[in-house]
Amino acid sequence: DAGVTQTPRHEVAEKGQTIILKCEPVSGHNDLFWYRQTKIQGLELLSYFRSKSLMEDGGAFKDRFKAEMLNSSFSTLKIQPTEPKDSAVYLCASSRDNYAEQFFGPGTRLTVL
Amino acid sequence: GDKVKQSPSALSLQEGTNSALRCNFSIAATTVQWFLQNPRGSLINLFYLVPGTKENGRLKSTFNSKESYSTLHIRDAQLEDSGTYFCAAGISGSFNKLTFGAGTRLAVCP
Repeated sequence: DAGVTQTPRHEVAEKGQTIILKCEPVSGHNDLFWYRQTKIQGLELLSYFRSKSLMEDGGAFKDRFKAEMLNSSFSTLKIQPTEPKDSAVYLCASSRDNYAEQFFGPGTRLTVL
Repeated sequence: GDKVKQSPSALSLQEGTNSALRCNFSIAATTVQWFLQNPRGSLINLFYLVPGTKENGRLKSTFNSKESYSTLHIRDAQLEDSGTYFCAAGISGSFNKLTFGAGTRLAVCP
């Protein structure tokens, strides 16, 4: 079985640009998560979907961050407009159902200049 | 304060030795996951625990929900065990959200 896939693996953006990160969860998983990882803040939850419904939109990240789940096998995270402080690794994870083990993708390293 | 506190924050081990990493929870964790983040940045699943103990090769993990902690024991450390170990707590009623600790950076030296 394929694990969680994420594209691109690396992204460089100019300040003010719009970027879209993509994630494909493990086939058959109902829960999908977007996290951000920085050295200072560690791993923070951005969004959480259950069966394509948005359950959590990450509070502090609402303004410029928008996650969507277009179908059960594909999700996007849009950052608009990007700022240098958005430079981080963005991780997508999925799990079969509530309280089940989460599996992570390889991440997208975003650099905003 | 930290809801999931990991200790130590960094550790250096000689190859072949044993050690233990710990997570203390100030929240009511119902499940615990342990991950190893390798130098490429990938998070590798090590254990998924409800209260109890699991073992896998040279690794053993315990989750004690009553005393709010979890441990990860590494036996006969190898060079490939180097990386950052994260524990994450799943909390009842929180829709499967994981709350992560800050990680333990482990370096295994020859």
